[in-house]
Amino acid sequence: DVKVTQSSRYLVKRTGEKVFLECVQDMDHENMFWYRQDPGLGLRLIYFSYDVKMKEKGDIPEGYSVSREKKERFSLILESASTNQTSMYLCASRGWGEGNTIYFGEGSWLTVV
Amino acid sequence: KQEVTQIPAALSVPEGENLVLNCSFTDSAIYNLQWFRQDPGKGLTSLLLIQSSQREQTSGRLNASLDKSSGRSTLYIAASQPGDSATYLCAVKADRGSTLGRLYFGRGTQLTVWP
Repeated sequence: DVKVTQSSRYLVKRTGEKVFLECVQDMDHENMFWYRQDPGLGLRLIYFSYDVKMKEKGDIPEGYSVSREKKERFSLILESASTNQTSMYLCASRGWGEGNTIYFGEGSWLTVV
Repeated sequence: KQEVTQIPAALSVPEGENLVLNCSFTDSAIYNLQWFRQDPGKGLTSLLLIQSSQREQTSGRLNASLDKSSGRSTLYIAASQPGDSATYLCAVKADRGSTLGRLYFGRGTQLTVWP
């Protein structure tokens, strides 16, 4: 069965902390994505990656960075967390086949206080 | 830039009704369109994916149609059940230019089916 796993479901961090959100997929997919979802704003793309060590900015990359050292793992990093980064973060992956279906993780709820 | 709109934003119906959820997009140069379901506090689950060359896809009580030229898709849910209560989102995958491969999401239709 297809699996995208986000390591942390709920996190509370302090302003200024460095935060790591981890995502692992077991489908050997080339493409991985990080979105944030906020009420009234829908899903917004932060970063995506087409391959190991490759990354592309999405619509709202400011304040975030990513790391893709291995094909199965895509990490989102908040260098210095701020309260406006309180949100639900969703990781997704997609292969080149399977009709290009995209698969999402369960989400990580981040609260920055 | 591609914009995806879903109407209605919310829908509340009694059990057993047949439903139509609408999705429209501004740029017809799409590679495919995907419908998702999202339960409260959870991630998105893919329901149906329609390639740009297809007109519709069916899975159980769900049927999704695509009219690429007019920029519209509908999700039809037959004989709705309380377990169908969730938010339904559509997303289109861009087919050209600098946005190649990107997904653009609508904001969803929040569906409540009451017994």
